[in-house]
Amino acid sequence: TQLLEQSPQFLSIQEGENLTVYCNSSSVFSSLQWYRQEPGEGPVLLVTVVTGGEVKKLKRLTFQFGDARKDSSLHITAAQTGDTGLYLCAGATGSQGNLIFGKGTKLSVKP
Amino acid sequence: EAGVAQSPRYKIIEKRQSVAFWCNPISGHATLYWYQQILGQGPKLLIQFQNNGVVDDSQLPKDRFSAERLKGVDSTLKIQPAKLEDSAVYLCASSLQLAGYPLHFGNGTRLTVT
Repeated sequence: TQLLEQSPQFLSIQEGENLTVYCNSSSVFSSLQWYRQEPGEGPVLLVTVVTGGEVKKLKRLTFQFGDARKDSSLHITAAQTGDTGLYLCAGATGSQGNLIFGKGTKLSVKP
Repeated sequence: EAGVAQSPRYKIIEKRQSVAFWCNPISGHATLYWYQQILGQGPKLLIQFQNNGVVDDSQLPKDRFSAERLKGVDSTLKIQPAKLEDSAVYLCASSLQLAGYPLHFGNGTRLTVT
């Protein structure tokens, strides 16, 4: 069974702080996606990383795919209250590219 | 473009009753997914359609859950009979094709089984 472990499970920080969340697996994925989900809504795609070692930036968010394509990290610089939400990583596997989701990191950014 | 539409938004039923959820994907999206998200967990794939055919239903509890996408557009997920542990948010998502395309999620149906 392929599992994606996300850490930390919960994170509460003050506005302006930096943070990193992690997504780890013993399995290799063809690609990895990060989503953000707000209460009462479906997950929204933030980024897809495909190549081992790839780094992508989305404003204050930096995503990195591990060299072996088994892990990924999301770093947020100078967090804002609008960054509050559940961050989910999802690894694509198999010929159909089925996504396996982690349990998520629930981020709360306080003013 | 219009997003993925789901209804109802909320549903409360008693155990052993039946319930159905409806999903209309983004126009032109060939692949449709139903996910179950239990509180505090990530979404778990229940079933995946490519047009009107089932690609993966390995995690669908087939003794009580069924889903169809007869015309390759909208889809219905049914639970009969419901159990307490079915309480969750049921998310529908669509993508342009299989493998490598981003998923677009609806806002889900929150089911409470009492």
